[in-house]
Amino acid sequence: EVQLVESGGGLVQPGGSLRLSCAASGFIFSSYWMYWVRQVPGKGPVWVSLINPDGRTTHYADSVRGRFTISRDNAKNTLYLQMNSLRAEDTALYYCAKDLHWGASDYWGQGTLVTVSS
Amino acid sequence: QSALTQPASVSGSPGQSVTISCTATSSDVGDYNHVSWYQQHPGKAPKLMIYDVSDRPSGVSDRFSGSKSGNTASLTISGLQAEDEADYYCSSFTSSSILLFGGGTKLTVL
Repeated sequence: EVQLVESGGGLVQPGGSLRLSCAASGFIFSSYWMYWVRQVPGKGPVWVSLINPDGRTTHYADSVRGRFTISRDNAKNTLYLQMNSLRAEDTALYYCAKDLHWGASDYWGQGTLVTVSS
Repeated sequence: QSALTQPASVSGSPGQSVTISCTATSSDVGDYNHVSWYQQHPGKAPKLMIYDVSDRPSGVSDRFSGSKSGNTASLTISGLQAEDEADYYCSSFTSSSILLFGGGTKLTVL
């Protein structure tokens, strides 16, 4: 059974940092593109970042480029999102998701909540 | 403002069919062949219903179908059931390796 379990969310002050993790199981993690997607409750999902299977190719939404870094450890079956210089508008539920085909995500985690507030 | 425009809401009675549109307003979507549709119930993660415009993942009911005409993709739900009431989002993977989401459509089953 495919499982994605996010962790690392919490309350952080503006300008602070957080590192999110996503533990994957039930599939060959090293073979799949992975995504981070965030969602403010009551609003639609917003893509944050993606990474290719070997970790050498990454892309970011304009709103987070230069502040967030996506990475993965295929030996540990874990996806990461390092978030620096956090802003109030980064407050959201952050999901990790597994790629099925060209941007379609067939499995999502339960999400981890990030709140940026003083 | 999203580059993928969806109607804010649609509704239908049980047994009827409804169609939700997703219009690309940006040239970034390219040939618009990598369109997906997600269903999201309150408090749950999105669930993939359609990918690559019209393909269904394993386990998704064949009451859900997708199509595209020009820069508008559509999700059709036939034989509407109470459990179909949810928010629906389209997404598109662009030629710039960017993933766009639509603003979402709330489906109400009357």
